Amino acid sequence: NAGVMQNPRHLVRRRGQEARLRCSPMKGHSHVYWYRQLPEEGLKFMVYLQKENIIDESGMPKERFSAEFPKEGPSILRIQQVVRGDSAAYFCASSPGVHTEAFFGQGTRLTVV
Amino acid sequence: GQQLNQSPQSMFIQEGEDVSMNCTSSSIFNTWLWYKQEPGEGPVLLIALYKAGELTSNGRLTAQFGITRKDSFLNISASIPSDVGIYFCAGQLGGGSQGNLIFGKGTKLSVKP
Repeated sequence: NAGVMQNPRHLVRRRGQEARLRCSPMKGHSHVYWYRQLPEEGLKFMVYLQKENIIDESGMPKERFSAEFPKEGPSILRIQQVVRGDSAAYFCASSPGVHTEAFFGQGTRLTVV
Repeated sequence: GQQLNQSPQSMFIQEGEDVSMNCTSSSIFNTWLWYKQEPGEGPVLLIALYKAGELTSNGRLTAQFGITRKDSFLNISASIPSDVGIYFCAGQLGGGSQGNLIFGKGTKLSVKP
C-alpha cells in the first residue's frame, strides 16, 4: 500500500506564473488535507477536501489559491500569479475518516524567483 | 484561533538519555497526534491518542493524552542518534466537519553520540 504521493518534490516558478501541486492519497483514503510550512515553523492548515467537495477552506487565502479533489485523479492545489511570499513547503495528508490519524506525503517545495 | 504551546523549543542531549516534551492548549481536543519530521521530508506519524488519560507506547516512545484533553506529553527513552529531528504535536478538534490538525511549533531534538 503506497503512501501519500506528492509531485513534484521541488518546483521553481517565476513571479506571476502558476504553480500546480498534486497529491494522490493513500489507497482507501477519501479525506485530503493541505498544509503549508515555512522554514523553522510548524504546519499551518490550508484546506480539507473529500471527493469532489471542499469541506473547510478556512486556512487558504481567498485570492490566487484554489484546491480540488475530483472524482478521478489526484487532489490539486493551485496557486495563481505566484509571489515570493508563496515560497514554502506544501504538504498533503490523507486519512480514511474525519477523526482518524492523517498520513503525510513528502511535500512539494515551492520556490518563487 | 486555537493554539498549541509546545515545549521545549529545542533540546541537546547525550545518547542514552531520556527525553520529555509536551504540548498544552486552552482548547479541548478530540485527538492528539505526535509526528517526527526529518530535514526535507514530510511528518511521520509516531503515536495517535484518542481517549483522555490514554497512555500509548511505540517502542522507546511513550505518549499520554491528558485527562482534561488539553495537553499531551511524549517521552523517548534511551535516545539514539537517529532520534534527531523535529517532533510536532498536533491536535484535532471534535464535532462538525473539523477534520484539520492544529500543529505545535515543534521541538528540535539533537543527540550527541
